[in-house]
Amino acid sequence: AQRVTQPEKLLSVFKGAPVELKCNYSYSGSPELFWYVQYSRQRLQLLLRHISRESIKGFTADLNKGETSFHLKKPFAQEEDSAMYYCALSGNAGGTSYGKLTFGQGTILTVHP
Amino acid sequence: EAQVTQNPRYLITVTGKKLTVTCSQNMNHEYMSWYRQDPGLGLRQIYYSMNVEVTDKGDVPEGYKVSRKEKRNFPLILESPSPNQTSLYFCASSLSKSLGDIQYFGAGTRLSVL
Repeated sequence: AQRVTQPEKLLSVFKGAPVELKCNYSYSGSPELFWYVQYSRQRLQLLLRHISRESIKGFTADLNKGETSFHLKKPFAQEEDSAMYYCALSGNAGGTSYGKLTFGQGTILTVHP
Repeated sequence: EAQVTQNPRYLITVTGKKLTVTCSQNMNHEYMSWYRQDPGLGLRQIYYSMNVEVTDKGDVPEGYKVSRKEKRNFPLILESPSPNQTSLYFCASSLSKSLGDIQYFGAGTRLSVL
């Protein structure tokens, strides 16, 4: 079975402070990891995925297979980063060839001015 | 514009009255799925479809039905809605069923069952 855990439901920081949203996963194979973001009154959208190894809007995430983590980081938070963030894992479902996407519980990030 | 369209956006109904939430995508995607979003539980998959006439249960399929008669459409059917199905529902699609494919989401349908 695959599982994603986001231990923080709520995270508050001040503008300019570093921010880290935690994500831990459980999966026996080699997963694909994603971060999706939902801004207020907008649809859920992809922020970044580990396979791309890119930085989007100043955010980065490194897959740590030893710690089974995929934490999302940004060195200087901005007010416009306030949103709901979901970590997601895509893995083979029951040995099939397709990707089953499992989401964590989500973390609401609030960046105060 | 490439997108996933859900209708209606808001729906209030009563227990037992059948309803359908439509989902349509214009990106020729093979894979479509339905999720529900509940506080503290995140997004949970209800049903998915890997192609036309191919559907399967997700993690929380009880009380729901789906169909995939055309590639672009993937309606969610609640035959006899109950209050515990009050939730925010999202339809999503991706190009294929590959592990690394990006999911594109609809704007969501907020359902209240009284």
